[in-house]
Amino acid sequence: TQLLEQSPQFLSIQEGENLTVYCNSSSVFSSLQWYRQEPGEGPVLLVTVVTGGEVKKLKRLTFQFGDARKDSSLHITAAQPGDTGLYLCAGDFMDSNYQLIWGAGTKLIIKP
Amino acid sequence: ETGVTQTPRHLVMGMTNKKSLKCEQHLGHNAMYWYKQSAKKPLELMFVYNFKEQTENNSVPSRFSPECPNSSHLFLHLHTLQPEDSALYLCASSQDYPAPPEQYFGPGTRLTVT
Repeated sequence: TQLLEQSPQFLSIQEGENLTVYCNSSSVFSSLQWYRQEPGEGPVLLVTVVTGGEVKKLKRLTFQFGDARKDSSLHITAAQPGDTGLYLCAGDFMDSNYQLIWGAGTKLIIKP
Repeated sequence: ETGVTQTPRHLVMGMTNKKSLKCEQHLGHNAMYWYKQSAKKPLELMFVYNFKEQTENNSVPSRFSPECPNSSHLFLHLHTLQPEDSALYLCASSQDYPAPPEQYFGPGTRLTVT
């Protein structure tokens, strides 16, 4: 059974600071996605990574896929209050019939 | 309307009630999903429909009954629920199933069972 572990579970920092959150698995992903969920809303897709070592940037957000495709990180530079939310990673694995497996999320609060 | 819509946004029901959740997607996708989201737990996939046919049922209790009349609409019929069924119920869609994996979510229905 594939499991995705996200860390930390909770992070509260001041506006302007940098942060990194992580998503790890013992299995190799076919692809991995990051979503952000704001209170009272559903998750919104931020990015999909597919290739080992891949780096994608979305404004102040940098997503990295591990070389072995077992882990990923999300780095936020100069965090803003608008970055507050629950960050979820989800991956599909070849031996899970490509069904998405979800992490429990990192709850991020950016204080003004 | 754009994206994925869900109604109602909030629902409080007793254990003996019968209610239905509705989801509609305006993206032209072929696959639709129901998820249960509880605090501090991963999203739990409940049902998947692809081209109106149910392709996944992840051991969901029979008190949850899905219905997919066409590729744009998905319902979740609820009856004799338990308090532990209180959660956020999310509907999602994707172009196809199981690939590509990217899913698009509605805002959810916050369900409270009393």
